[in-house]
Amino acid sequence: NAGVTQTPKFRILKIGQSMTLQCTQDMNHNYMYWYRQDPGMGLKLIYYSVGAGITDKGEVPNGYNVSRSTTEDFPLRLELAAPSQTSVYFCASRQTTRGLGYTFGSGTRLTVV
Amino acid sequence: GESVGLHLPTLSVQEGDNSIINCAYSNSASDYFIWYKQESGKGPQFIIDIRSNMDKRQGQRVTVLLNKTVKHLSLQIAATQPGDSAVYLCAENLENTGNQFYFGTGTSLTVIP
Repeated sequence: NAGVTQTPKFRILKIGQSMTLQCTQDMNHNYMYWYRQDPGMGLKLIYYSVGAGITDKGEVPNGYNVSRSTTEDFPLRLELAAPSQTSVYFCASRQTTRGLGYTFGSGTRLTVV
Repeated sequence: GESVGLHLPTLSVQEGDNSIINCAYSNSASDYFIWYKQESGKGPQFIIDIRSNMDKRQGQRVTVLLNKTVKHLSLQIAATQPGDSAVYLCAENLENTGNQFYFGTGTSLTVIP
């Protein structure tokens, strides 16, 4: 059981470039989330999805887009990368009930230069 | 305890001692709480949870205490081991008002051998 898998683990982007952070889960969870974690700050929600075809903005959605075509996959798209998007990005999923909270991926460390 | 800002609260303890990590949560109506452990370079992992109808819950070497009067959560780790060195995050949730958990900034625990 792989849980939540994120790729890539590390990436350096130049300002203005675009990329997609991949996230896949094999637990048949309906709920999926993208967070960013900056040094000394808590996890901030970017986007979330409660099921295939349904997405919604979180606390810090500007500069990002998501899609949810399948239950398993929840990619995060960065368009026109900016230095402010330098961060560690975590994908997470959970079952419909709240018990045990999230299962997190191992993260993607992104640097925009 | 945890706070918003650029400096992560830190706690250093001797191996074998007990550790107490504190968290002030934000929403007095939150009814479910989780403690996560985040090791360097990894995603957060579930440690223990507690619902608002409880004051205390015990796991293996860990105890969570909830004081709803002052919106305070604590995590006690008994006989702290070097493998306990990590950042500890508290998260809160309110059923039926949203799908996300809200995270504190975390406390960095260092265990001195």
